[in-house]
Amino acid sequence: AQSVTQLGSHVSVSEGALVLLRCNYSSSVPPYLFWYVQYPNQGLQLLLKYTSAATLVKGINGFEAEFKKSETSFHLTKPSAHMSDAAEYFCAVSDRVAGRRALTFGSGTRLQVQP
Amino acid sequence: DGGITQSPKYLFRKEGQNVTLSCEQNLNHDAMYWYRQDPGQGLRLIYYSQIVNDFQKGDIAEGYSVSREKKESFPLTVTSAQKNPTAFYLCASSPTLDRGGTGELFFGEGSRLTVL
Repeated sequence: AQSVTQLGSHVSVSEGALVLLRCNYSSSVPPYLFWYVQYPNQGLQLLLKYTSAATLVKGINGFEAEFKKSETSFHLTKPSAHMSDAAEYFCAVSDRVAGRRALTFGSGTRLQVQP
Repeated sequence: DGGITQSPKYLFRKEGQNVTLSCEQNLNHDAMYWYRQDPGQGLRLIYYSQIVNDFQKGDIAEGYSVSREKKESFPLTVTSAQKNPTAFYLCASSPTLDRGGTGELFFGEGSRLTVL
């Protein structure tokens, strides 16, 4: 069964600093991988996705993630944090289960950005 | 604009009452899902439907019921049998595999249910 581990339930960075949110997955077959962002009392919005094309994936709001098969990782980065990046971030892995693509979510990482 | 509409945004209910959360999509997606979100627990799947008139239990279906009479609609009823219904509920949709789906989910804005 697939699983997703997000290291660190809370991450705090200063405005302008590098953002690094970690995600490791387990999957028996090459997966599709996703990062979603959630602002308070809102739904999840797709940041970026890996679907077996380029291993470095660029998303919205300046975020990017690199798929590393050898490390089973899909960490999310942004060179310079902005106050508006404060939100909860979810990593997810999609795997084929009984004829459909089932999405498994990590438990989330809350990003705080300090002025 | 295509999207998913959930209503109501906020709902208060007394113990022992059933309540129905609405979810409508105009993305022409075959698959629809209901998730429950509690602080620190991520998202947990309640029910999903791959096609009209068919739905399957997810990981935490007890105390919930759904229907899928139309492709666009997937309402969730939180029954009085649900022991701890206070939570944030998210509806999502996706294309199925045969329509090129990758598993990517498209989410509504959520409904927050509070039981008094």
